[in-house]
Amino acid sequence: EPEVTQTPSHQVTQMGQEVILRCVPISNHLYFYWYRQILGQKVEFLVSFYNNEISEKSEIFDDQFSVERPDGSNFTLKIRSTKLEDSAMYFCASSGRTGVGTDTQYFGPGTRLTVL
Amino acid sequence: AQSVTQLGSHVSVSEGALVLLRCNYSSSVPPYLFWYVQYPNQGLQLLLKYTSAATLVKGINGFEAEFKKSETSFHLTKPSAHMRDAAEYFCAVTTPGTGNQFYFGTGTSLTVIP
Repeated sequence: EPEVTQTPSHQVTQMGQEVILRCVPISNHLYFYWYRQILGQKVEFLVSFYNNEISEKSEIFDDQFSVERPDGSNFTLKIRSTKLEDSAMYFCASSGRTGVGTDTQYFGPGTRLTVL
Repeated sequence: AQSVTQLGSHVSVSEGALVLLRCNYSSSVPPYLFWYVQYPNQGLQLLLKYTSAATLVKGINGFEAEFKKSETSFHLTKPSAHMRDAAEYFCAVTTPGTGNQFYFGTGTSLTVIP
C-alpha cells in the first residue's frame, strides 16, 4: 500500500542552524501538508501546498519557514534559523484532492527535530 | 474557528474490555471528523471518518464512532480491546473553506492491560 515517507526520522541541530525536513508524498496525490506537534501539545497545521504554491498557512508558518517541491517526488520543509521552540515532531501529509474537507490526508511517520 | 478536545490524555483498559476514547469538537459550520491512530514509530493512520452521511461510522480494526451533533461529540469505541490496540489516538476536525487543514486534539494514549 502506498505510504508517505519522511527523512530523517530524528534530526538534532544547533540553534540558529538551517534544517531541511524531507517528505515523499504518495505518488498520485496533489495536495501536500506539514504539521507539527510539540511534545504534549496538539498536532498543529503549518502549511498546505498545491500546484507548486502555498494554498494555506498558519500563524506558526512565519518567514523562517519555507516549503518546496524541488522535483516530482519530494516535498521539503526548510527552517532557516532554528529556535529552541522549533523542537517538535514534524508530520508531512498528502491527499488526492481537497475542496470539501472530506478527503483523507495520509500522514508520514514524522521527523523529530531537536534544537539544542 | 474549529477545535477538538480529547478528554483523558491516558486511558487504560483490560484486554477484552470496552474502549471509549472521547472527542468533543467546536465548529461554527457542519464539521467533518476523523480519528487517526499512531503506533510507535509510525505515521498517523486513518481509523474512520465522518462526512455528513451516517452518524454511526465504522472503521478499521473493529473501531466505530458516533457523531452526536447535540453533544458536539465524536467518541471512539471498540467493544473488546486487544493488546495490539495500544497506541496513540488523535481526533481531528475540518470544515469546508479552511483549505482542508485539519485541527487535531492533543491525543489519547491507550494502554491495554493483559
